[in-house]
Amino acid sequence: SQQGEEDPQALSIQEGENATMNCSYKTSINNLQWYRQNSGRGLVHLILIRSNEREKHSGRLRVTLDTSKKSSSLLITASRAADTASYFCATDAGTALIFGKGTTLSVSS
Amino acid sequence: KAGVTQTPRYLIKTRGQQVTLSCSPISGHRSVSWYQQTPGQGLQFLFEYFSETQRNKGNFPGRFSGRQFSNSRSEMNVSTLELGDSALYLCASSLSSGAGTEKLFFGSGTQLSVL
Repeated sequence: SQQGEEDPQALSIQEGENATMNCSYKTSINNLQWYRQNSGRGLVHLILIRSNEREKHSGRLRVTLDTSKKSSSLLITASRAADTASYFCATDAGTALIFGKGTTLSVSS
Repeated sequence: KAGVTQTPRYLIKTRGQQVTLSCSPISGHRSVSWYQQTPGQGLQFLFEYFSETQRNKGNFPGRFSGRQFSNSRSEMNVSTLELGDSALYLCASSLSSGAGTEKLFFGSGTQLSVL
């Protein structure tokens, strides 16, 4: 079963623009993670935010977490063509890391 | 450090056959998790092994099984293949069994096609 759900399902932007993806989840969590997947490849970990944190930065990535709304957002600033990929949020469901269905981001030059 | 290695990269089987997929985790990682990825269902958790013991299991039929060896390498087996088993099977390793709290390192996956 899906714990997290990303929104939007697909996003198309121009290089240089910012991309924002949202994730909503259902139950309380210890942490929330974001991963990126290039077409047909394995997932790459981007960032982990703990339940007691509200915001975290890593390079051009900014993640926020609102546990009262059970939601998180991933912001990619100054997008590049190489950022084209699917992005997944994942939450710990007590037994395993459970992934949402992802947001497909397309960045055109 | 070498990453997570999955073999084979591609596999074509027919219905009713069985298949074994292999995963070598990052050196020093003792936990291996397996996921099935399909366009319709997304990423579904199959199971996790830690120190040769299955720690957690997802909601899959008994045709899906796995094991982990003393060197932390893991295999998963699917018996009596069905068309719906066609998917990308991903293996991920982590330092310990954190029940979802650990950062996962993924392999490139095995693309299984069942004809």
